[in-house]
Amino acid sequence: DVKVTQSSRYLVKRTGEKVFLECVQDMDHENMFWYRQDPGLGLRLIYFSYDVKMKEKGDIPEGYSVSREKKERFSLILESASTNQTSMYLCASSPGTAFPLYGYTFGSGTRLTVV
Amino acid sequence: GEDVEQSLFLSVREGDSSVINCTYTDSSSTYLYWYKQEPGAGLQLLTYIFSNMDMKQDQRLTVLLNKKDKHLSLRIADTQTGDSAIYFCAESRSSASKIIFGSGTRLSIRP
Repeated sequence: DVKVTQSSRYLVKRTGEKVFLECVQDMDHENMFWYRQDPGLGLRLIYFSYDVKMKEKGDIPEGYSVSREKKERFSLILESASTNQTSMYLCASSPGTAFPLYGYTFGSGTRLTVV
Repeated sequence: GEDVEQSLFLSVREGDSSVINCTYTDSSSTYLYWYKQEPGAGLQLLTYIFSNMDMKQDQRLTVLLNKKDKHLSLRIADTQTGDSAIYFCAESRSSASKIIFGSGTRLSIRP
């Protein structure tokens, strides 16, 4: 069964901490995405990557960075966590076709609380 | 521009049909999707429809697409308690690999 695995289901961090959210997929997908999900706002794209060492900003990249050193792993980094980054974070992947014919495969999410 | 809109809440009685509606603005949308998110979980692809189709049926699910009005709907027949979830409408275009998601509709089932 193909999978996107997010390393933590729940995280509690302090304001100002550097936070790493890890995502690993075993489907040999080229494309990987990070979203945050907030009530009433749906899914908002933070960053995405179409290939190793490539990254592109999504709609709300401020306060975040990403790393993709290996094809299967896409990390989201909060350089200095703030309370307004408390959210559910979802990782997704898709094959490197011209368009996502079958949509994305999502991880189970990481619920991050910044105190 | 890119915009997918759906109502935030829907409540239906168990055994009735649920109809979740969605509108989108981009007429070049190529694929439209419905995702389901159960509590505490990620999104799961339920079904998708190509823009050259009007309808797609899959067991209890029926997707209707009105391209003229840019309106997509998901009908769930004989709604069960296990259908309680947030349902996301989404669209993509052949010119891009990104999918644009709506805000999600929370479906609750009452006995």
